[in-house]
Amino acid sequence: QVQLQESGPGLVKPSETLSLTCTVSGGSISSYYWNWIRQPPGKGLEWIGYIYYSGSTNYNPSLKSRVTISVDTSKNQFSLKLSSVTAADTAVYYCASGERWWDYWGQGTLVTVSS
Amino acid sequence: DIQMTQSPSSLSASVGDRVTITCRASQSIINYLNWYQQKPGKAPKLLIYPASSLQSGVPSRFSGSGSGTDFTLTISSLQPEDFATYYCQQSYSKPLTFGPGTKVDIK
Repeated sequence: QVQLQESGPGLVKPSETLSLTCTVSGGSISSYYWNWIRQPPGKGLEWIGYIYYSGSTNYNPSLKSRVTISVDTSKNQFSLKLSSVTAADTAVYYCASGERWWDYWGQGTLVTVSS
Repeated sequence: DIQMTQSPSSLSASVGDRVTITCRASQSIINYLNWYQQKPGKAPKLLIYPASSLQSGVPSRFSGSGSGTDFTLTISSLQPEDFATYYCQQSYSKPLTFGPGTKVDIK
């Protein structure tokens, strides 16, 4: 059973870079697609982007200029960096596996953007 | 981007009721439509992909249908554990997008 776990700071200052890591256990990251999805408090879901284990990426154009997703196969981890954050980036951030739909999800981590 | 809409935005139902939620895409997405269930404080759970295949472990009271632009999620007999918010998501083209959700609560 594949399990995913997000980790990273829960508070980020405006204009700084949000950094999160997702650790995959129970399976190898060296296959499949690995995604980040977010959900502002009380609102709907937004796909941020994915990375294939080989390193190829696909980002949501609405965030593309600020997003970087990377993978570390040696650690079975993939990461999200979102630059120049504002209060609008406050959300629960989920990592999930899959190319077109997502069958395994992390529990989510709340990131608040505030000074 | 493909825009997804859902109706109703919320509904109240009783245990045992048959519940139908509709999802519409702004253009044809063939059958690339997936359904998720989300309970408060939890990650979404995949129910149906694409359009009509039941995810492993999901009860058979859940079913999906549709093609083109119009899709339906049906719960044949609502159970207490089914009270949640349901999201549709298109996987036809990037960026992958979700509907706004349908909240199912207890009447």
